[in-house]
Order: sequence, then C-alpha cells, then structure tokens
Amino acid sequence: GNSVTQMEGPVTLSEEAFLTINCTYTATGYPSLFWYVQYPGEGLQLLLKATKADDKGSNKGFEATYRKETTSFHLEKGSVQVSDSAVYFCALAYSSASKIIFGSGTRLSIRP
Amino acid sequence: DVKVTQSSRYLVKRTGEKVFLECVQDMDHENMFWYRQDPGLGLRLIYFSYDVKMKEKGDIPEGYSVSREKKERFSLILESASTNQTSMYLCASSQETQYFGPGTRLLVL
Repeated sequence: GNSVTQMEGPVTLSEEAFLTINCTYTATGYPSLFWYVQYPGEGLQLLLKATKADDKGSNKGFEATYRKETTSFHLEKGSVQVSDSAVYFCALAYSSASKIIFGSGTRLSIRP
Repeated sequence: DVKVTQSSRYLVKRTGEKVFLECVQDMDHENMFWYRQDPGLGLRLIYFSYDVKMKEKGDIPEGYSVSREKKERFSLILESASTNQTSMYLCASSQETQYFGPGTRLLVL
C-alpha cells in the first residue's frame, strides 16, 4: 500500500544551521507530495508542495524536490531560525478528493 | 486566504455524552475531512465528504459519525464518548490542496 516514512525526531539544531528532514514514500503512479508544518497548539499549515517528478516546492526559505527515481521528498533549509521550531509532516495524495497519507511527523527544535 | 474554523479549541466531556464537533470553511470547497492526531500515531482519517450529504469512511470510523447538510459545514459526532476518544481532532477542506483548521483538543473523562 501507499506509505510515507520520515526521519524520526526530535531534531535539535542551533540557529543558522542547515536543516534536512528526510522523507521517502511508497506509492504507485504519480501522487502529489506535500510538507505540512504544525506550530505548537495549532493545526497543520501547508508549507510547500510538488505535483510531478523533478518539481521543486519552496516557501519561507524551505525547499523540497520531488525525486521519483529515489522516491524521496526531503525538506531543506539553509539557515534555520528559532521560529522554525515545530513539527513537520511529509505527506502524499493522489487528488483533492482522496485522503492524504501522512508521515509520523518530525519535531524540530532550534536553539538560539 | 482559505479559512477553516472549528467550533471549539478545547472541550471536556464525560463518558457516554454525545459530542458534536463543528467545522466550517469559507472557500466553497467540495471536499472536507476529519482526522484525529495522537502522539506516536500521526494523523488518522476518520471520515471524509466530497459533496453535500455524501460521506465516506476513513481508516478509523468506529465510534464516530458525520453530517454534511450544507457545503460549508462538516460535523463530527461522537455518539457516546469514551476515554479512548480523547485526542486532537483536525478538520480540513480542499479543492486542490487540503487546508486545516486549528484543531479541537477533546478530553473525555
């Protein structure tokens, strides 16, 4: 079946460090891929998405590239800030009407 | 901006009570979803709806029902609340991308 696997947290970094959160997926066909972020006490917000192979999604300094050959969608940011502390979810879906399959989430903490 | 609102941020109920969680979206989206989020289990889909009066079971529908009488409103109903339904409940709506509400943290005593 379809699934999403992301690196286990928590991940703790110092401010201005480089961030990578790994995400791989198992799916047939060509799903769309997403990264959602959940700040403390809030719901999920869409961070970025990519709808086809080799697409790069980007937002707020975060980037992820849809790699079909490695079935990956790793999240990267060149210089993290304390305000980036949150839980990050990788996800896939086939259409707006289909359910989203989420990874288990990665908690990120940034030290000043 | 898409706005998805949920009726309560925090809710405390007693075992056996009937509980209604309301979700409203303002973007005329056809698709709406209810998830629950639990530590170590991530998000799990309870029910979804792709049109008024239509509903589909998700992965964990047992103990829940839903109602969608109007396009903008999708209600989750716990017919007889139990302690194992203590959780964070998240509503989402979508046309192309799912947008989430702020969540309702439900405690069943």
